[in-house]
Amino acid sequence: GAVVSQHPSRVICKSGTSVKIECRSLDFQATTMFWYRQFPKQSLMLMATSNEGSKATYEQGVEKDKFLINHASLTLSTLTVTSAHPEDSSFYICSAETSGRANYGYTFGSGTRLTVV
Amino acid sequence: EDKVVQSPLSLVVHEGDTVTLNCSYEVTNFRSLLWYKQEKKAPTFLFMLTSSGIEKKSGRLSSILDKKELFSILNITATQTGDSAIYLCAVEYGNKLVFGAGTILRVKS
Repeated sequence: GAVVSQHPSRVICKSGTSVKIECRSLDFQATTMFWYRQFPKQSLMLMATSNEGSKATYEQGVEKDKFLINHASLTLSTLTVTSAHPEDSSFYICSAETSGRANYGYTFGSGTRLTVV
Repeated sequence: EDKVVQSPLSLVVHEGDTVTLNCSYEVTNFRSLLWYKQEKKAPTFLFMLTSSGIEKKSGRLSSILDKKELFSILNITATQTGDSAIYLCAVEYGNKLVFGAGTILRVKS
């Protein structure tokens, strides 16, 4: 089945530094990927839609200069949290529209737990 | 404003009970409604619904969509402790996949 690999699974960084999270579709091409963040005991909040070869579409309230998204190939999208602050600590997860979507819709990465200290 | 609303927000039942989780939506350019189960990390896929009135079933879980009244339900029969999780409803519309707040289900033994 379709697999989305997300790395790293956990990262701790200092305030002011930048962190890059990668999301790869391993056995299919993903023209569109979605990036979400999830606070404890809350649902997934859509941050942005990443489109291969074009600029990402950000949701209202999400700072595009802070959360840089790059989708340079059909199998890789990256989210870079720039100048991270403790309030950016969260669970970040990506998803991609799965080939054979009529049955499965979307596949999720395993998520990245970001802690900013 | 487009939105996806789930109810109840949380639920505690005993093993063997049947539960019904609700998801209503107000979106433009609806494409599909999906149900996921989330335990620790990534959500796991349960159902994808695109047509009204056609029940999808997988073991003790079933789901149905009503596109006229804009809602879906997820039923779990003979609940087990392993069903304890957050159940997420997501609606695909336009080029977005947006989630509801989720229902936290706890099944007590």
